[in-house]
Amino acid sequence: GESVGLHLPTLSVQEGDNSIINCAYSNSASDYFIWYKQESGKGPQFIIDIRSNMDKRQGQRVTVLLNKTVKHLSLQIAATQPGDSAVYFCAELTNTGNQFYFGTGTSLTVIP
Amino acid sequence: DSGVTQTPKHLITATGQRVTLRCSPRSGDLSVYWYQQSLDQGLQFLIQYYNGEERAKGNILERFSAQQFPDLHSELNLSSLELGDSALYFCASSSAGGEGNEQFFGPGTRLTVL
Repeated sequence: GESVGLHLPTLSVQEGDNSIINCAYSNSASDYFIWYKQESGKGPQFIIDIRSNMDKRQGQRVTVLLNKTVKHLSLQIAATQPGDSAVYFCAELTNTGNQFYFGTGTSLTVIP
Repeated sequence: DSGVTQTPKHLITATGQRVTLRCSPRSGDLSVYWYQQSLDQGLQFLIQYYNGEERAKGNILERFSAQQFPDLHSELNLSSLELGDSALYFCASSSAGGEGNEQFFGPGTRLTVL
């Protein structure tokens, strides 16, 4: 039968290039944000987080940028590798600290 | 390997039935979260427990319930199952809860309701 699924935004990049994955959030009360990576058949894996009092945070090969004015979050992956192929989710935590909301995700494919 | 274990890995059952999913958090983690990931809705937060007590509730149906036991393992009970309950159910744990506490996800339980 016909399968119905979530139509994820997709991004294809050449190995070695930089990737930018974007996320828009809607709750202005959100003050903590996380990026997760989910490989096929596995659970989500924490990549990097950022608090609302920051606009940039860097990790190993990854950078998260937060623009609270337009409620936009981005994840930059430097020198993308085939192992980076996965679905990437952003998650936001409200300032009551009680609930995480996840974006629908972006599917990243790295072309060798 | 995140250190979070979930059983069973796969579960196939019929509509109207009841199932229990089990989660063991990482050693030392006090907080457990349950999530549902379906094809048409993405990842949805269901409920969080901290040291045995419910801390936060998300989009959890009344047919679903959860608890965290004194040994900190958690169970998610799904009853009167419907076809739409078919999904991946993830458990995650963190040392505490909320901001700044990285959540470690288990491998998930795939539930199929026929």
